[in-house]
Amino acid sequence: DGGITQSPKYLFRKEGQNVTLSCEQNLNHDAMYWYRQDPGQGLRLIYYSQIVNDFQKGDIAEGYSVSREKKESFPLTVTSAQKNPTAFYLCASSTRVYEQFFGPGTRLTVL
Amino acid sequence: AQSVTQLDSQVPVFEEAPVELRCNYSSSVSVYLFWYVQYPNQGLQLLLKYLSGSTLVKGINGFEAEFNKSQTSFHLRKPSVHISDTAEYFCAVRFGGGADGLTFGKGTHLIIQP
Repeated sequence: DGGITQSPKYLFRKEGQNVTLSCEQNLNHDAMYWYRQDPGQGLRLIYYSQIVNDFQKGDIAEGYSVSREKKESFPLTVTSAQKNPTAFYLCASSTRVYEQFFGPGTRLTVL
Repeated sequence: AQSVTQLDSQVPVFEEAPVELRCNYSSSVSVYLFWYVQYPNQGLQLLLKYLSGSTLVKGINGFEAEFNKSQTSFHLRKPSVHISDTAEYFCAVRFGGGADGLTFGKGTHLIIQP
């Protein structure tokens, strides 16, 4: 089945730690995205990548980093510089202007 | 700045009644419009989209939406809701023709009352 997988589903982080969220897609989409969702805030764009080995900052990139070494994979690292990382993180992919397909999400909690 | 506004954070509706969820955007550039639904602790599922052509678009689960360029709106409607429609609904807009991320509204929680 084609789709987007995110792992883990739940993630706990101690203060000062970096953590990496995985996102994989087998839809053969060129573009991939990371969003952060907070209650009552909608989704906010963290980073996006339109092609392998290239990515751009979104609206709230501070404290996050990404890589795009393979077309299928777009991992997100939440660094210790992100002061309020507790949130629901959603990965998506798309073909240019068409709709984005979303993964099931990772819920990150800071202990 | 380009923005998407969902005027209602919550909409309570009785089962089998009609519902309209409102979405407005602020931009003069070309737009591509989407409605997504999210069930608790899940990702987003596409309900419908407007890319071009007919301004009335039909989606899954009996939902439809109408693009009104003069009013910069894309309201979502369903003539008769079911308890299973209880969820969070997001309006999203892609401004211009690139592959940048979508701009989302803050969501509307649709609450179906029996």
